[in-house]
Amino acid sequence: AQSVAQPEDQVNVAEGNPLTVKCTYSVSGNPYLFWYVQYPNRGLQFLLKYITGDNLVKGSYGFEAEFNKSQTSFHLKKPSALVSDSALYFCAVRGYFNTDKLIFGTGTRLQVFP
Amino acid sequence: EADIYQTPRYLVIGTGKKITLECSQTMGHDKMYWYQQDPGMELHLIHYSYGVNSTEKGDLSSESTVSRIRTEHFPLTLESARPSHTSQYLCASSEFSLGADNQPQHFGDGTRLSIL
Repeated sequence: AQSVAQPEDQVNVAEGNPLTVKCTYSVSGNPYLFWYVQYPNRGLQFLLKYITGDNLVKGSYGFEAEFNKSQTSFHLKKPSALVSDSALYFCAVRGYFNTDKLIFGTGTRLQVFP
Repeated sequence: EADIYQTPRYLVIGTGKKITLECSQTMGHDKMYWYQQDPGMELHLIHYSYGVNSTEKGDLSSESTVSRIRTEHFPLTLESARPSHTSQYLCASSEFSLGADNQPQHFGDGTRLSIL
């Protein structure tokens, strides 16, 4: 069965510091991995995806994510956090052999303090 | 910004009323989805569609129904609203992909539904 875990309900970071939001997954075959961000009273916005190739994926708003096959992880990173990055972040996975549905994690709330 | 629109954005209505939540996309996407999300919580897939005249139930059992008569339109209907239906409903769409589906989903801003 496909699953994705976001072990931290909340991540707090000071503005200007690097941030990491963690995600691990379980899927049969090669995974397709996605990160989304949700601001208050809005839908989810697509940030980036990993399909194949380079393990470091760059996305919108300066975010990047590192795919690690041996650790089955896909952590979201940003070198220098902004207060405006404060939002809810969702990791999602779709397996190569089961592409009907995108499985979302439970979300991690990122709080960036000035 | 993705071109997917949901109306109404907010709805407060009494128990027993029939409700239709509208979702339209202008991207020509074949696949469309409905998710239920309590505020700040995880998403639960309740319905999806591969294209016109295709509808499937998602992982979370829902008393709602959907229809897909036109590619761009994927309305969700509750025949008789109850307080347990209070939640946020998010609509999404994605491009058709030959073979394995690696396309991201694009989301509307949601309808926040409150049943009194």
